[in-house]
Amino acid sequence: EDQVTQSPEALRLQEGESSSLNCSYTVSGLRGLFWYRQDPGKGPEFLFTLYSAGEEKEKERLKATLTKKESFLHITAPKPEDSATYLCAVQARGSGNTGKLIFGQGTTLQVKP
Amino acid sequence: NAGVTQTPKFQVLKTGQSMTLQCAQDMNHEYMSWYRQDPGMGLRLIHYSVGAGITDQGEVPNGYNVSRSTTEDFPLRLLSAAPSQTSVYFCASRPSGRTDTQYFGPGTRLTVL
Repeated sequence: EDQVTQSPEALRLQEGESSSLNCSYTVSGLRGLFWYRQDPGKGPEFLFTLYSAGEEKEKERLKATLTKKESFLHITAPKPEDSATYLCAVQARGSGNTGKLIFGQGTTLQVKP
Repeated sequence: NAGVTQTPKFQVLKTGQSMTLQCAQDMNHEYMSWYRQDPGMGLRLIHYSVGAGITDQGEVPNGYNVSRSTTEDFPLRLLSAAPSQTSVYFCASRPSGRTDTQYFGPGTRLTVL
């Protein structure tokens, strides 16, 4: 069964304290892995797509990496405005036209000044 | 571009009532989908459409209907609301071509009493 597990569920950091969020996945052939940011009361906002092991993507203080079993979202020197829930999702190669994304439950990040 | 828009933002229904959640996108995306987000469950695919006139079921379709008469609009109909349909509903769309990245709307928070 295709599955995505994110850890930790919640993470509290001080401003400037770097850390990583984990996304472990089990899928019958990976078509793509996606990271989204979700602010309270809003829809998921797209951050990155990763397609193959070894791939890395960066945007400001965020860097996403991918291996054959997991992805990491590294946050370097976070600021309070980085506080949000970060969602990981995978699309299986066998999903065809469905476009079905399998989501993890998210990691809620709080960055304190 | 307004992106993906959803109305209403909030809705309260009584058990047995019907209603339609509206979703529109102005990006000429062929693919559109509906997800529901429940605490501890992640987002789950309800229905999707690969183009005008074409719809299909996702992971949790029971109790919901969809239609796609235009490229821009993809309404979700609740036929006879049940408390189990209390959730936050997100519409998403994706450009045609090779990209699998999906863009989400702001959501509709539905409560069924």
